[in-house]
Amino acid sequence: GQQVMQIPQYQHVQEGEDFTTYCNSSTTLSNIQWYKQRPGGHPVFLIQLVKSGEVKKQKRLTFQFGEAKKNSSLHITATQTTDVGTYFCAQGAQKLVFGQGTRLTINP
Amino acid sequence: DTEVTQTPKHLVMGMTNKKSLKCEQHMGHRAMYWYKQKAKKPPELMFVYSYEKLSINESVPSRFSPECPNSSLLNLHLHALQPEDSALYLCASSQVAGRGANVLTFGAGSRLTVL
Repeated sequence: GQQVMQIPQYQHVQEGEDFTTYCNSSTTLSNIQWYKQRPGGHPVFLIQLVKSGEVKKQKRLTFQFGEAKKNSSLHITATQTTDVGTYFCAQGAQKLVFGQGTRLTINP
Repeated sequence: DTEVTQTPKHLVMGMTNKKSLKCEQHMGHRAMYWYKQKAKKPPELMFVYSYEKLSINESVPSRFSPECPNSSLLNLHLHALQPEDSALYLCASSQVAGRGANVLTFGAGSRLTVL
């Protein structure tokens, strides 16, 4: 299946700072999903993006899908300790393939 | 709380044991999945069932044997596993079609240790 490259692998921020993780593909994606996995937990679906250039917001989280549908980003404004976890992008149809994930840690 | 229930939460087994992981969902989803996740790695797809039929097998060794007895249940039978099979095994479900298609709801996982 198509692979998505996700960067950075790790990000440590001070509480209140912003955070961004990026997913990139060499081929056009039909859609992209984002999941969050808390430490010791399981992946939880956050959002799905389908349209070129799509931007969706969930409170402090902003998700973007590139115009060429080859990249996506998740931006968190003013991080809080509850944002700690690993954020995965994922793409595919029945065979959903996950990016490597970005592990976010926060210094309170 | 998750709507996908997995049992057991933890399992320790020897290499000669036979055990099973179980997964149940009551969301009316007709696609069910097994993923394997090693520490600090993303989930890796193992099997997909669609309408109780195996639709994807990601070249998983035969010591892992999936079973889907009905639309709500998914099992993973384990036999003659290796220590490197130790991992978190995640079950997930999704709708097959429509806006929710392929949007996965994961269970809490079964953490397997093979001695």
